[in-house]
Amino acid sequence: AQSVTQLDSHVSVSEGTPVLLRCNYSSSYSPSLFWYVQHPNKGLQLLLKYTSAATLVKGINGFEAEFKKSETSFHLTKPSAHMSDAAEYFCVVSDQSRDDKIIFGKGTRLHILP
Amino acid sequence: ETGVTQSPTHLIKTRGQQVTLRCSSQSGHNTVSWYQQALGQGPQFIFQYYREEENGRGNFPPRFSGLQFPNYSSELNVNALELDDSALYLCASSRGSLAGGANEQFFGPGTRLTVL
Repeated sequence: AQSVTQLDSHVSVSEGTPVLLRCNYSSSYSPSLFWYVQHPNKGLQLLLKYTSAATLVKGINGFEAEFKKSETSFHLTKPSAHMSDAAEYFCVVSDQSRDDKIIFGKGTRLHILP
Repeated sequence: ETGVTQSPTHLIKTRGQQVTLRCSSQSGHNTVSWYQQALGQGPQFIFQYYREEENGRGNFPPRFSGLQFPNYSSELNVNALELDDSALYLCASSRGSLAGGANEQFFGPGTRLTVL
């Protein structure tokens, strides 16, 4: 079975400080991993994806994530938070060989404090 | 390039009724996936259509069914609506192939379904 666990339902950081959103996954195959962001009343937007190339993946808006197979983790980071980063973030695991192809985590709400 | 569109934006139904939600995929995309997002939860994968054929299904009962048309637009049909079907229904399109590969999905804004 494949699954994804986002370890924090809420994360609060001050503007200008680093962001860390944690994600662990379980998959019997070499999965593809994604991070999506959902701003209030807006659609889901892809931040970045890992598909078995470089383990450190750079995305949009200064976000990056590192794939660590030994730890089955794919944590999302950003060096300096901006007020506009306040949103819901979803970690996603995808295995196209499975019938249940795409699994979303439950989400992490990121709050940015002024 | 036209993005993914969904209709209607909001819908109110009563228990036992049937509903059809529509999705127009992004130009050049041949794959459509549907998701159910309950309040405060992550999207749950319902099913995926690739070139008019169902190509994967999540843990949803058969009263959730779909179609994909030759122009790659898609419909989600839900029969015998239950209160728990109240949710945001998201459609996403992508360029797919039978060989698989995880291509970026582009999401529509969703349809908010309320079942009373």
